[in-house]
Amino acid sequence: SQQGEEDPQALSIQEGENATMNCSYKTSINNLQWYRQNSGRGLVHLILIRSNEREKHSGRLRVTLDTSKKSSSLLITASRAADTASYFCGPLPMYSGGGADGLTFGKGTHLIIQP
Amino acid sequence: DGGITQSPKYLFRKEGQNVTLSCEQNLNHDAMYWYRQDPGQGLRLIYYSQIVNDFQKGDIAEGYSVSREKKESFPLTVTSAQKNPTAFYLCASQASRQGIYSNQPQHFGDGTRLSIL
Repeated sequence: SQQGEEDPQALSIQEGENATMNCSYKTSINNLQWYRQNSGRGLVHLILIRSNEREKHSGRLRVTLDTSKKSSSLLITASRAADTASYFCGPLPMYSGGGADGLTFGKGTHLIIQP
Repeated sequence: DGGITQSPKYLFRKEGQNVTLSCEQNLNHDAMYWYRQDPGQGLRLIYYSQIVNDFQKGDIAEGYSVSREKKESFPLTVTSAQKNPTAFYLCASQASRQGIYSNQPQHFGDGTRLSIL
């Protein structure tokens, strides 16, 4: 199954700074989704970028996708303490019509915003 | 409000015991998923279901079983065959895995934390 691998594994920045995290994946995708997980909670969908898109914005979030490099990045601008969480990317593979595919996430990037 | 409800929030299993984790959604979604998350690790897919009365094994299905008798419900049973069941279990749903709906996000519940007594 497709797995996104997030980098770095941990990131600590000061409140107000920008945070950038990256995702790499292995095979052709339909779309790529970014999720946030607060400690002890489920994942919350942040943004979805389709394979034919290169950049997408949502509020303070900016996502880029480079299918030639099989990579994506998530930028959070003007970070806040409430952004402290783990961030996961979920590449959705092209639908194969069978097999155990789905969104399979890597270890995530643990982001800490220092006040 | 529409969403996914997982219960219980915490669950303890004795040796040799089967336990069942509940997942209910009122989003009218066709597809449902079960993931396992170990500390500091990513999510791994256990089982998924695209439609009622149908389900498929994920990457780590051994020691687990599921059923999908109703659209809104996708319970996961952790059997005694699963020797290392301690983990955080997450259920998710999606409008559909097919066609234009594959570009819809997954919605997650708040998880069940399973521990061994």
